[in-house]
Amino acid sequence: GAGVSQSPSNKVTEKGKDVELRCDPISGHTALYWYRQRLGQGLEFLIYFQGNSAPDKSGLPSDRFSAERTGESVSTLTIQRTQQEDSAVYLCASSLGLAFDEQYFGPGTRLTVT
Amino acid sequence: KQEVTQIPAALSVPEGENLVLNCSFTDSAIYNLQWFRQDPGKGLTSLLLIQSSQREQTSGRLNASLDKSSGRSTLYIAASQPGDSATYLCAVKVTSGSRLTFGEGTQLTVNP
Repeated sequence: GAGVSQSPSNKVTEKGKDVELRCDPISGHTALYWYRQRLGQGLEFLIYFQGNSAPDKSGLPSDRFSAERTGESVSTLTIQRTQQEDSAVYLCASSLGLAFDEQYFGPGTRLTVT
Repeated sequence: KQEVTQIPAALSVPEGENLVLNCSFTDSAIYNLQWFRQDPGKGLTSLLLIQSSQREQTSGRLNASLDKSSGRSTLYIAASQPGDSATYLCAVKVTSGSRLTFGEGTQLTVNP
């Protein structure tokens, strides 16, 4: 079946502009995660959605970052007033939402802020 | 705060060699541990998932072990091939939340 998809695959934007990144999880997966990977660094957790529960936003680096998810479907990550340090690959993952389950990752969106 | 460390950061081996990648974590209270591979410019591919109650998992030429009490996991790759060249990431799912905490990875190069 279809895996996790993300769009766009690449995004180049000017400093100060807003960007929206999209994630389509695997159908039936109630949990959705956003991570960020800066060049040469490990993955950092950003935000986690589980069903209709309040999202875990503890990884968002600043109030310029926000994310939404409608039900158990698509999620969008929005970065306002982008800065050069926001340049990274943004990865989305989904899972069944159980404590012991496996996370499946999308191909990522490479964001470059010039 | 959970921290995950992977050693070595980079490894280069000749084709056919058996090799071991190491992962250590500071908090032994984990739900599970996952090993991923990441190819340049691509997302993560899950290789093996070990539940906290398990000691090891095997898939083909890959074997992952878990020792919770010592906070360690190893990924053993048998008879390495050039196609195994990638970055290997270890990640743990902590008890207090559902996020994964990642190590910084081991970049593996298998030379033909």
